[in-house]
Amino acid sequence: AQKITQTQPGMFVQEKEAVTLDCTYDTSDQSYGLFWYKQPSSGEMIFLIYQGSYDEQNATEGRYSLNFQKARKSANLVISASQLGDSAMYFCAMEEAGGTSYGKLTFGQGTILTVHP
Amino acid sequence: KAGVTQTPRYLIKTRGQQVTLSCSPISGHRSVSWYQQTPGQGLQFLFEYFSETQRNKGNFPGRFSGRQFSNSRSEMNVSTLELGDSALYLCASRPVAGDGYEQYFGPGTRLTVT
Repeated sequence: AQKITQTQPGMFVQEKEAVTLDCTYDTSDQSYGLFWYKQPSSGEMIFLIYQGSYDEQNATEGRYSLNFQKARKSANLVISASQLGDSAMYFCAMEEAGGTSYGKLTFGQGTILTVHP
Repeated sequence: KAGVTQTPRYLIKTRGQQVTLSCSPISGHRSVSWYQQTPGQGLQFLFEYFSETQRNKGNFPGRFSGRQFSNSRSEMNVSTLELGDSALYLCASRPVAGDGYEQYFGPGTRLTVT
């Protein structure tokens, strides 16, 4: 069964610094997608970035980049130039391809990021 | 385009009652997934609907059910509420099935069971 592990319950970063949030995953599927979502205190989940298992290049979206190491089954999120508004809970998630996984994201436990001024 | 909307946003129910939550996906999105978020269990997948058919179901008891209408709006129902059902219920929509397309989440319905 698929599993996502986020080992950092909380992380602190200084404003304008870069921070890496760790994520490892476990799956027996060859085709899968990896996602990062941000959840502010308001509760809404905000999509940040996506990486497909067959993508050879690391995904980037503005200040967000995904450090994808397939052999190590890791998909770490890098946030560059942190801003105070980046303070939130961050979730790594995976979706496997195939009929039994329709619409199912498996989430990690999340990492609370606090950005200090 | 309007985002995913969920109603109501907050709900307080008594143990033993039933509740219906509603989710309106982004226009044109046909797949709707539901998740339960609790401090103890985190985010857990409930079920997914596509073109009015449930295609996937998570590991929840039969008290949790859902449906999808022809306009892609979805409802989930929880019968015989238990205290442990207190949670944030999130729905998400996407335009097509399969990986490669992110799910867009609504603001959630916070259910409190007393």
